[in-house]
Amino acid sequence: SQQGEEDPQALSIQEGENATMNCSYKTSINNLQWYRQNSGRGLVHLILIRSNEREKHSGRLRVTLDTSKKSSSLLITASRAADTASYFCATVILNNAGNMLTFGGGTRLMVKP
Amino acid sequence: KAGVTQTPRYLIKTRGQQVTLSCSPISGHRSVSWYQQTPGQGLQFLFEYFSETQRNKGNFPGRFSGRQFSNSRSEMNVSTLELGDSALYLCASSPGGGQRNTEAFFGQGTRLTVV
Repeated sequence: SQQGEEDPQALSIQEGENATMNCSYKTSINNLQWYRQNSGRGLVHLILIRSNEREKHSGRLRVTLDTSKKSSSLLITASRAADTASYFCATVILNNAGNMLTFGGGTRLMVKP
Repeated sequence: KAGVTQTPRYLIKTRGQQVTLSCSPISGHRSVSWYQQTPGQGLQFLFEYFSETQRNKGNFPGRFSGRQFSNSRSEMNVSTLELGDSALYLCASSPGGGQRNTEAFFGQGTRLTVV
């Protein structure tokens, strides 16, 4: 079963605008990760934020984590048409022995040129 | 470094048949996980193998099984296929061991269609 929900389920913006996606999860985590998927292909890792971190940046990406609310957000600034994809958050549950990822439902982002 | 390789890329099988999917992880990675992706259920964890041992298992029936070889390559098998098994099956590799805060590297997936 999925760890949580992402919202919105779909987002359509113009090139140059910012896109914000939110993720909520249910249990205590070791870390939270964001992945991108283009047209039903493999997932590409974007960024990982540990449970003791509150904010992380990577290029045009900014991720925040609020463990008290069990939520995270992904901000893509100055979006490009090439950012059109589905975005998933995934958690590694605290005290899990391995690297099992539990995914949210994803946000489908469309960036119009 | 070569990425995660999954074979075959596409597969069409008939109900009741069985299928074996293969995954070669990134060289040096010892953890291999499998996920099923469907429009209705999203991305769901199947199982994880580390050093030839199953370390985690998702909530799937016993028809779904897997194994890992000494070179870290992994296979998953689905027996007595059902129409609902049609999905994109994704394999992910990571260094494993005590490194918890690491990203997973995904293959391009195997698209299984059951008719």
